Amino acid sequence: GENVEQHPSTLSVQEGDSAVIKCTYSDSASNYFPWYKQELGKRPQLIIDIRSNVGEKKDQRIAVTLNKTAKHFSLHITETQPEDSAVYFCAATQNPYNFNKFYFGSGTKLNVKP
Amino acid sequence: DVKVTQSSRYLVKRTGEKVFLECVQDMDHENMFWYRQDPGLGLRLIYFSYDVKMKEKGDIPEGYSVSREKKERFSLILESASTNQTSMYLCASNGQNYGYTFGSGTRLTVV
Repeated sequence: GENVEQHPSTLSVQEGDSAVIKCTYSDSASNYFPWYKQELGKRPQLIIDIRSNVGEKKDQRIAVTLNKTAKHFSLHITETQPEDSAVYFCAATQNPYNFNKFYFGSGTKLNVKP
Repeated sequence: DVKVTQSSRYLVKRTGEKVFLECVQDMDHENMFWYRQDPGLGLRLIYFSYDVKMKEKGDIPEGYSVSREKKERFSLILESASTNQTSMYLCASNGQNYGYTFGSGTRLTVV
């Protein structure tokens, strides 16, 4: 099955700096890569996703890049703000096959210092 | 807006008890999932279901079972709770072409 590794496990940045979280996956058949943000005590929420036919996707201050050859994808947050502090999870799946079973990374705790 | 509702936010149970965790979604999604979330281990899939009465084991099914008698409801059952099942349990659902929607989670403590 798929194996998703995520790094770093914790990340501390100063407000206004950029943050980058990286994930690798093992199954070349995976074609959908979402990112979830989980604030303390709340449910994970989808913040951005990318499909394998696209190399990069942006939404305001967040972007995701995908390198299919190397089987890795990254989340980039620019101009970080204290409200970006949360745990971020990457995931990979074959969409719409395999019942959309997601394989998650182990999570990155991002702390943005004011 | 898709809603996935988990019946309890916090539960405390005794070792050996049978525990039921309930999850209900209101968007007619085919697929439903149960994950447990532990620090440093991320989200690990326990069981999932792709249709009524259908179930599939995930990565860590031992000590758990599930029930899906109706499309909107997916129950996780701990047959005999143990302390190593103390965790945060997250339910999720999705349709064919959408990402997951998660419930708010149930923090279970087994004493």
